Amino acid sequence: KAGVTQTPRYLIKTRGQQVTLSCSPISGHRSVSWYQQTPGQGLQFLFEYFSETQRNKGNFPGRFSGRQFSNSRSEMNVSTLELGDSALYLCASRLGVGAQETQYFGPGTRLLVL
Amino acid sequence: DQQVKQNSPSLSVQEGRISILNCDYTNSMFDYFLWYKKYPAEGPTFLISISSIKDKNEDGRFTVFLNKSAKHLSLHIVPSQPGDSAVYFCAARPIYSGAGSYQLTFGKGTKLSVIP
Repeated sequence: KAGVTQTPRYLIKTRGQQVTLSCSPISGHRSVSWYQQTPGQGLQFLFEYFSETQRNKGNFPGRFSGRQFSNSRSEMNVSTLELGDSALYLCASRLGVGAQETQYFGPGTRLLVL
Repeated sequence: DQQVKQNSPSLSVQEGRISILNCDYTNSMFDYFLWYKKYPAEGPTFLISISSIKDKNEDGRFTVFLNKSAKHLSLHIVPSQPGDSAVYFCAARPIYSGAGSYQLTFGKGTKLSVIP
């Protein structure tokens, strides 16, 4: 079974631009979560989607948004990019039906904001 | 306020010896704990998990111990191998309630170096 895939793997943007990142979960997985990893803050939860609905959102500004499609693929959008948005953005998927499930991560998208 | 803490940023161990990585948490609502391993330029890879109803879970060379009263868990790797050199993250998830969300809170990681 193919793992979680994320595109693009690397991205360079300038301040003020916007960016869209894509995530395809493991086949059959209905839940997709997004995390931001920075050297200072570690991995921080952004949001989770299940059946096209956002279930939970972390403590990030409204510039960070996401959505999920009917095939469970998810996109994350960051508008008005700031230098501090430079990070590794990780997507994770799970089945979404059990109380104690494992989340499986993709390789991440490395975003550099100049 | 950091709810999951990995107080050792780095750890060096000789090949063949035991590696012990520690993790402390403060939130009493956490009931499921996971360890992930991460290599540079890759996403975290799931290693092992433990439910709060257990105090030990073993999978091959990896064993996780949970001490609920101390709010402490540890990952033991025996024997350690050079390929184990990576950053290890401890993660915790609060009590799940049906259709509720699943949000992992991570520690900042411990970089393990296994010396040949």
